[in-house]
Amino acid sequence: AQSVAQPEDQVNVAEGNPLTVKCTYSVSGNPYLFWYVQYPNRGLQFLLKYITGDNLVKGSYGFEAEFNKSQTSFHLKKPSALVSDSALYFCAVVEDTGRRALTFGSGTRLQVQP
Amino acid sequence: DAEITQSPRHKITETGRQVTLACHQTWNHNNMFWYRQDLGHGLRLIHYSYGVQDTNKGEVSDGYSVSRSNTEDLPLTLESAASSQTSVYFCASSRGYNSPLHFGNGTRLTVT
Repeated sequence: AQSVAQPEDQVNVAEGNPLTVKCTYSVSGNPYLFWYVQYPNRGLQFLLKYITGDNLVKGSYGFEAEFNKSQTSFHLKKPSALVSDSALYFCAVVEDTGRRALTFGSGTRLQVQP
Repeated sequence: DAEITQSPRHKITETGRQVTLACHQTWNHNNMFWYRQDLGHGLRLIHYSYGVQDTNKGEVSDGYSVSRSNTEDLPLTLESAASSQTSVYFCASSRGYNSPLHFGNGTRLTVT
């Protein structure tokens, strides 16, 4: 079975400071990992993904994520937060065994203060 | 531009009624998914399809059904609506199982 945990319901950070949104996962095989962002009254938008290769993945809007196999983590990071980054962020995982669908975490609300 | 559209955006129905939520995509994706979003639970998978005539149950499939008669559409039916099915429903599609999902803007369903 596959699962994802986002331990923080909310993360608060000041504009210009670095931000981290945490994600850990559990799978039987190898993971494919994703981050999505959701703005109010909208569907989720894809930010970045890890399939294989370099553990540091770069995505949209200056976000990046680091895959750590030993810690089964895939934390989302950004060097300098913007007020416009305030949104709901979801981590998701699917195993590499084929015929499965993404499992999402419960989401983390990011609040960037001016 | 290709897109995925859901209708209606808002729906209010009564307990016991049958309700169908529409999802239409022009990406020509084989894979389509239905999720529900509830506070504290994130997104939970209801049903998914990997192609025409293929449907699979997700983790919260009880009380829901889908059918896939063409590539573009995956309607979600609530056989007999219950108050516990009040939620926001998202449809999504993807090219492959490890490809990013493209989401619709959701349907907010209220069961009274």
